[in-house]
Amino acid sequence: GAVVSQHPSRVICKSGTSVKIECRSLDFQATTMFWYRQFPKQSLMLMATSNEGSKATYEQGVEKDKFLINHASLTLSTLTVTSAHPEDSSFYICSARGPPLAEYSTDTQYFGPGTRLTVL
Amino acid sequence: QKEVEQNSGPLSVPEGAIASLNCTYSDRVSQSFFWYRQYSGKSPELIMSIYSNGDKEDGRFTAQLNKASQYVSLLIRDSQPSDSATYLCAVNGLEYKLSFGAGTTVTVRA
Repeated sequence: GAVVSQHPSRVICKSGTSVKIECRSLDFQATTMFWYRQFPKQSLMLMATSNEGSKATYEQGVEKDKFLINHASLTLSTLTVTSAHPEDSSFYICSARGPPLAEYSTDTQYFGPGTRLTVL
Repeated sequence: QKEVEQNSGPLSVPEGAIASLNCTYSDRVSQSFFWYRQYSGKSPELIMSIYSNGDKEDGRFTAQLNKASQYVSLLIRDSQPSDSATYLCAVNGLEYKLSFGAGTTVTVRA
């Protein structure tokens, strides 16, 4: 249980285009999903918290108009990188707050496989 | 002061040895502690959680928690080459967010 998928796994786009990344919880409902970015040899950086049916909460320094997040259902959150530029090239990873499994607390996060974005 | 600090590594251990990873955290009210493993180019994978003081064992992994000292550790016994990865310590915070350490890279030498 607690499987999270992401699509696409890899995307290459031209500067100025927008890219949408989907994050799905496959076998559980996730009221909260998180979006992270990770640059090479660095740790995870939380970008935003996505709650189903409400506006996302962005971390300080993250441009909400550039990184649009939608959490329209209990199993799907999307991140759209608008007008992408080479500096947005990174590894984007979503996580979902997991189901109340016996072994883990309700604040356990399960990660998707990530999306590697390259902006030319 | 960083919220979650890990021993910087990298840590190199021979196959079959014990790898010891350490983590300290600053928020005294934290209640949930996690260890994630991240292979190069992949996303983090949950390997252990611990919520109470003491030891918790799962196969070759043992997590240890000392809330008074604000310290959590992970021991990997009988280390295998497949254990070579970066290990991330994570601590819960407000609004279900997790604070991550910078990670410790472990290399198991065959």
